[in-house]
Amino acid sequence: EAQVTQNPRYLITVTGKKLTVTCSQNMNHEYMSWYRQDPGLGLRQIYYSMNVEVTDKGDVPEGYKVSRKEKRNFPLILESPSPNQTSLYFCASYSLGIQFFGPGTRLTVL
Amino acid sequence: KQEVTQIPAALSVPEGENLVLNCSFTDSAIYNLQWFRQDPGKGLTSLLLIQSSQREQTSGRLNASLDKSSGRSTLYIAASQPGDSATYLCALNTGNQFYFGTGTSLTVIP
Repeated sequence: EAQVTQNPRYLITVTGKKLTVTCSQNMNHEYMSWYRQDPGLGLRQIYYSMNVEVTDKGDVPEGYKVSRKEKRNFPLILESPSPNQTSLYFCASYSLGIQFFGPGTRLTVL
Repeated sequence: KQEVTQIPAALSVPEGENLVLNCSFTDSAIYNLQWFRQDPGKGLTSLLLIQSSQREQTSGRLNASLDKSSGRSTLYIAASQPGDSATYLCALNTGNQFYFGTGTSLTVIP
């Protein structure tokens, strides 16, 4: 089954404790992206990757890092999480005009 | 920067009614536009994709139109059903980046 998977689905952490949210797709898509969704603000793009080893900032990249060492994986890294990064995060892959989304990761930073 | 607005923010209709959801954008230089459905606590499901050269797309009871010159897209839902209750999002692709509206929350009352 074609899909985008994210882990973990839920995470509660404390300020400053480094964390990684994994994202993997099995559709051999070149383009992958991370979004955060906040009430009243909609989905905003954090980072995107056009291909392996190619990443670019989206609208809200501050406080986040990404890497794309292989086509199927695109992890999101928060080196020092802060409470304003509490949000619902989505990973997506894209091909032929259509985005496919993962199920989301709900992150709470205390 | 692309600004995307969806009006109304919330809509409640009786079952069987036809309805129109609106999506407005500020920059007509788009690659394509995609309509999504999001159920509470779930990821996004793609409904329709309109390429920049197209005027409309249809899938079942759904019809989406695109007017780049006026910066508008509409999603028409015919004969609404309670199962259509969800949040509907439009997303613009500018080539490398994606911009989402804040969504319209639809409730169809049986």
